[in-house]
Amino acid sequence: DTGVSQNPRHKITKRGQNVTFRCDPISEHNRLYWYRQTLGQGPEFLTYFQNEAQLEKSRLLSDRFSAERPKGSFSTLEIQRTEQGDSAMYLCASSVGGLANYGYTFGSGTRLTVV
Amino acid sequence: AQSVTQLDSQVPVFEEAPVELRCNYSSSVSVYLFWYVQYPNQGLQLLLKYLSGSTLVESINGFEAEFNKSQTSFHLRKPSVHISDTAEYFCAVSAPGNQFYFGTGTSLTVIP
Repeated sequence: DTGVSQNPRHKITKRGQNVTFRCDPISEHNRLYWYRQTLGQGPEFLTYFQNEAQLEKSRLLSDRFSAERPKGSFSTLEIQRTEQGDSAMYLCASSVGGLANYGYTFGSGTRLTVV
Repeated sequence: AQSVTQLDSQVPVFEEAPVELRCNYSSSVSVYLFWYVQYPNQGLQLLLKYLSGSTLVESINGFEAEFNKSQTSFHLRKPSVHISDTAEYFCAVSAPGNQFYFGTGTSLTVIP
């Protein structure tokens, strides 16, 4: 696998339900990032991990959002008690070390629709 | 903090014509600058980046961007566009830290 994999590609859920998305980064990348992209906007940073440590989570949109990367490999993003405003594309990216030298490699995203 | 402004939300251009997608940034510290491209139903792909050195950077598919510190700009240009260049283009800025700030994107449509 040469890319960042995200599953599922699409998720439709009813308001109030919990959803979980998975991201598998490029295997040698130690940093993993989550972004949210709403229609007509650029990606908005949510949180990131270095290995299994979550180094920044203050940008998570509310306490309904949480992310984990338990073994420093794949990561999950969970949204509890979903709201219609959570409908968006959720993007995962990974990088080796400091992002500036390499840029990110993004996955294709998970599109969430809350009905 | 940093921010990015992409001045044009949509840019239609005829095939083989030149194009410029504008990007201005704001930052109180030195920054790194990036352009990403997003094709329909795909993730973002790095197009080119400026870290330091030569202010003119090029991509492998004919795009180039010039970092202008005095004008705080990083405009993307291509002298002759192709149908396959139709996509959403995002400018991003990063300070020596770990997150990007993205612009709102410019939708480039190449008209046959």
